Amino acid sequence: EVQLLESGGALVQPGGSLRLSCAASGFTFSSCAMSWVRQAPGKGLEWVSAISGSGGSTSYADSVKGRFTISRDNSKNTLYLQMNSLRAGDSAVYYCAKGLYGDYFFDYWGQGALVTVSS
Amino acid sequence: EIVMTQSPATLSVSPGERATLSCRASQSVSSNLAWYQQKPGQAPRLLIYGASTRATGIPARFSGSGSGTEFTLTISSLQSEDFALYYCQQYNTWPLTFGGGTKVEIK
Repeated sequence: EVQLLESGGALVQPGGSLRLSCAASGFTFSSCAMSWVRQAPGKGLEWVSAISGSGGSTSYADSVKGRFTISRDNSKNTLYLQMNSLRAGDSAVYYCAKGLYGDYFFDYWGQGALVTVSS
Repeated sequence: EIVMTQSPATLSVSPGERATLSCRASQSVSSNLAWYQQKPGQAPRLLIYGASTRATGIPARFSGSGSGTEFTLTISSLQSEDFALYYCQQYNTWPLTFGGGTKVEIK
């Protein structure tokens, strides 16, 4: 059974940093592209960042480029999102999502990690 | 960036009726279009990818069609569990983008 379990969500002050983790199981992690998708309270879905199975290729939304870094440790079956210079607009539930067939649509999602940026 | 526009924002349908949801891309995404369903407090669930391929375990009452810039998700006979939010997503071009969503509510 595929499982994605996010952790690391918290309340953080503007300008602060946070690292989200997503522990994956039930599939060959290194074979799958992974993404982070966020959803602000009461709003729609916003793709944040993606990484290829090997970790050699990454992409970012313009809204987070230069502030967020996606990475993965295939030996630990874990995906990460390092978030720096956080803003109020980054407040959202952050979902870890698994790509299907190496592509960038998502057949499994985690339960989400809540990030609140507020003073 | 490719803008995905979903219509209508809200669709009121009676159980057993057909629902037709639209998704338009600001430029061609070929058939690289997925549909998701989301219920309150839950993560999205993949329904359709490749514009028309049902994901594993998705009932046959869900069907997708279209290519290029115009796409449709059809639910042939709405069941109680189908009342939810629906999003389209293009994965043809970076950045990946989602539509704003269509809420399917009970009429």
